[in-house]
Amino acid sequence: DTAVSQTPKYLVTQMGNDKSIKCEQNLGHDTMYWYKQDSKKFLKIMFSYNNKELIINETVPNRFSPKSPDKAHLNLHINSLELGDSAVYFCASSRRGPRGNTIYFGEGSWLTVV
Amino acid sequence: DQQVKQNSPSLSVQEGRISILNCDYTNSMFDYFLWYKKYPAEGPTFLISISSIKDKNEDGRFTVFLNKSAKHLSLHIVPSQPGDSAVYFCAASAFDQGGSEKLVFGKGTKLTVNP
Repeated sequence: DTAVSQTPKYLVTQMGNDKSIKCEQNLGHDTMYWYKQDSKKFLKIMFSYNNKELIINETVPNRFSPKSPDKAHLNLHINSLELGDSAVYFCASSRRGPRGNTIYFGEGSWLTVV
Repeated sequence: DQQVKQNSPSLSVQEGRISILNCDYTNSMFDYFLWYKKYPAEGPTFLISISSIKDKNEDGRFTVFLNKSAKHLSLHIVPSQPGDSAVYFCAASAFDQGGSEKLVFGKGTKLTVNP
């Protein structure tokens, strides 16, 4: 059983399109995250939700909008895609914060904007 | 603004020898540190962690050392095995002003263990 699953794994789309990446965790965790790994290989947090409530919102364009219909799901919607949005997006979850409770990552979604 | 730095993008060692991966941080507010391991086309997986009140934590072949005064930590793998070949991310955690905990990752070091 996959603990944190995200779809699609690969996505190639044109500039200006709107796309979504879905994430689900079956670990019963309270906190979910979206991380972005860009071409420079940095793994940076974008958003964090705790029990469907947004608790971390890093400086990302407002074209990125997370949506958490319940605490097991955290989807990422991206509007008006730009070339610079090409990256690997990782969904993750943890029981509370990352301290003492490890973060479990999904396999990543490779987004390529052409 | 790289708060967590892994200055060696890659490291190659022989099977059976020790692998030492280094990590430096700049933010003195970090008080919990973690190492994650990542295979290609997979998400990072937790490996080992250490609280700032300790200077060493050991788990089997993996040991993490923390030098708070130098703001430096290292991961030792001994003996190294070919299956340890992966990218290793150092991460540091601190609570922000709003009370939320944030995890900051380094760029990773690609370890190759040669048979």
